[in-house]
Amino acid sequence: EVQLVESGGGLVQPGGSLRLSCAASGFTFTSYAMSWVRQAPGKGLEWVSVITGDGKITHYADSLKGRFTISSDNSKSTVYLQVNSLRAEDTAVYYCAKTLVLQPTPFDSWGQGTLVTVSS
Amino acid sequence: EIVMTQSPATLSVSPGERATLSCRASQSISSNLAWYQQKPGQAPSLLIYGASTRATGIPARFSGSGSGTEFTLAISSLQSEDFAVYYCQQYNSWPRTFGQGTEVEIK
Repeated sequence: EVQLVESGGGLVQPGGSLRLSCAASGFTFTSYAMSWVRQAPGKGLEWVSVITGDGKITHYADSLKGRFTISSDNSKSTVYLQVNSLRAEDTAVYYCAKTLVLQPTPFDSWGQGTLVTVSS
Repeated sequence: EIVMTQSPATLSVSPGERATLSCRASQSISSNLAWYQQKPGQAPSLLIYGASTRATGIPARFSGSGSGTEFTLAISSLQSEDFAVYYCQQYNSWPRTFGQGTEVEIK
């Protein structure tokens, strides 16, 4: 059974940083890609970033480039999202989701999400 | 970036009735279209992919259709557990983009 478990969210002041983690199990981590998708309170879904299982290919939403960095550790089957220079509008639940990069593929499994709140 | 537009924003339906949700892409995405269901306090879950293929465990009352730029999700006879928010998403190109969602509420 595929399991994706996010962690690392919390309350952070504007301008601060966080590193979110997503631990994966139940599938061959290096054969898939992992994405981050976020959802602001009461709002819709916004795709953030993706990384291939081998870490060689990454994509970012244009609006977030430069502040967010995705990475992965194959030895731990874990993907990370480093979020810097946080703003109030980054307040959201951040989900990780399993997919592929080089083939058109939906997000077929999702974690339960981790809440990031940016406030002073 | 491909813009996905869903309609209506809210759909009021009585249990047992049929619901039809629409999704339009700003350019052709072939059949690279997914539908997700999200219940309050839960993560989204995959419902339909390839525009018309039900994901594992999804009941037959859910059906998807369309290709190119126009897509439809139909729920043939709404059950209490189907009242939720539904999102369409294109996975034809990066960045992946979602529609703004349709809330299916009890009438």
